Amino acid sequence: AQSVTQLDSHVSVSEGTPVLLRCNYSSSYSPSLFWYVQHPNKGLQLLLKYTSAATLVKGINGFEAEFKKSETSFHLTKPSAHMSDAAEYFCVVSESTKGRRALTFGSGTRLQVQP
Amino acid sequence: GAVVSQHPSWVICKSGTSVKIECRSLDFQATTMFWYRQFPKQSLMLMATSNEGSKATYEQGVEKDKFLINHASLTLSTLTVTSAHPEDSSFYICSARRRVRDETTRNEQFFGPGTRLTVL
Repeated sequence: AQSVTQLDSHVSVSEGTPVLLRCNYSSSYSPSLFWYVQHPNKGLQLLLKYTSAATLVKGINGFEAEFKKSETSFHLTKPSAHMSDAAEYFCVVSESTKGRRALTFGSGTRLQVQP
Repeated sequence: GAVVSQHPSWVICKSGTSVKIECRSLDFQATTMFWYRQFPKQSLMLMATSNEGSKATYEQGVEKDKFLINHASLTLSTLTVTSAHPEDSSFYICSARRRVRDETTRNEQFFGPGTRLTVL
């Protein structure tokens, strides 16, 4: 069975400072991992994905995440936060061997960016 | 590419009526579509998975007679909330997975913008 834990429900940073959103996963098979962002009353936008290629994954809007198998982590980072980054972020896991298996979402982390 | 649309974007209905939500993949063929619901300030919960031309597979605790899913073509899936009640008020999001091209895209889903349902 697969699961994902987002360690912080809320993160608040100042504009221009680094962002760290933490995610740990468990999976019986080789997982695919994703980070999605959701702005208020909007759908989800894919930030980046890991699918067993490079462990450091670069995404859109300056975000990146590093897959660490030994720590079962896939933390999302950004060197410098912008006001527009304020949103809800979801870490998602999917087992590649499960044909119809859908994505399993973390509980989400709300990122606030203070001016 | 890989755009998914939902219609309507929001709907208000009276208790006891039925509401249909459409999910379309605009520029690709979706072999599988997924329906999620999201309560305020909560994560997405998978309701059901539908493959084109076959019956939907519902997650535990989701009433199949309450939430009717039809996936009649490779670009359209519909979710009908039958006899809606206030507790069905939620944000419903669909996603679509296209034909697998390679291993790196196998599990990628593309999400619609969501439909906010309010049942009075």
